[in-house]
Amino acid sequence: AQSVTQLGSHVSVSEGALVLLRCNYSSSVPPYLFWYVQYPNQGLQLLLKYTSAATLVKGINGFEAEFKKSETSFHLTKPSAHMSDAAEYFCAVSVYQKVTFGTGTKLQVIP
Amino acid sequence: DAGVTQSPTHLIKTRGQHVTLRCSPISGHKSVSWYQQVLGQGPQFIFQYYEKEERGRGNFPDRFSARQFPNYSSELNVNALLLGDSALYLCASSPQIAANTGELFFGEGSRLTVL
Repeated sequence: AQSVTQLGSHVSVSEGALVLLRCNYSSSVPPYLFWYVQYPNQGLQLLLKYTSAATLVKGINGFEAEFKKSETSFHLTKPSAHMSDAAEYFCAVSVYQKVTFGTGTKLQVIP
Repeated sequence: DAGVTQSPTHLIKTRGQHVTLRCSPISGHKSVSWYQQVLGQGPQFIFQYYEKEERGRGNFPDRFSARQFPNYSSELNVNALLLGDSALYLCASSPQIAANTGELFFGEGSRLTVL
């Protein structure tokens, strides 16, 4: 069975600072990996996805993530945080179309 | 194009009652999945349906059931509601399952409060 661990339930960064949200996965077969963002009282929106092509994946709103098989990681980064990035972020792993989500990381952006 | 639509958006029920939640997928998507998101947690998988057949079930009691209709819309039913069923119920659709990476397209959710 696959699983996802997101380190840090809350992360605070200053506006303009680097954003780093951590995600480690466990899977017995090569997985597909995703990052979703959820704004208050809304559903989840896809930020980016890794589907076994390039290991560095670029998504919407300036976010990117790098798949590192040796570290079983798929950390999400953004060079410069914006106030509008404040939201909850979920990492997810998909194996044979079964999708498992992490517990989420709430990102706070301090002006 | 319309995204995934869910109804109702909010509802309040009392313990022991029954609830039906509805979902219409993106046009052309044949797979629908249901997730429960309790406050402060990640979405938990409940069901997946494809071509009106159940293709996956999460670790939820038999009080939870679902079905998919010929037009690919879906209903989630929960009987004998408990306080712990209070959550945001998310519906997600995805394209044809055979070539599917698992990318999900979510609706806004139905917020259920059980009193």
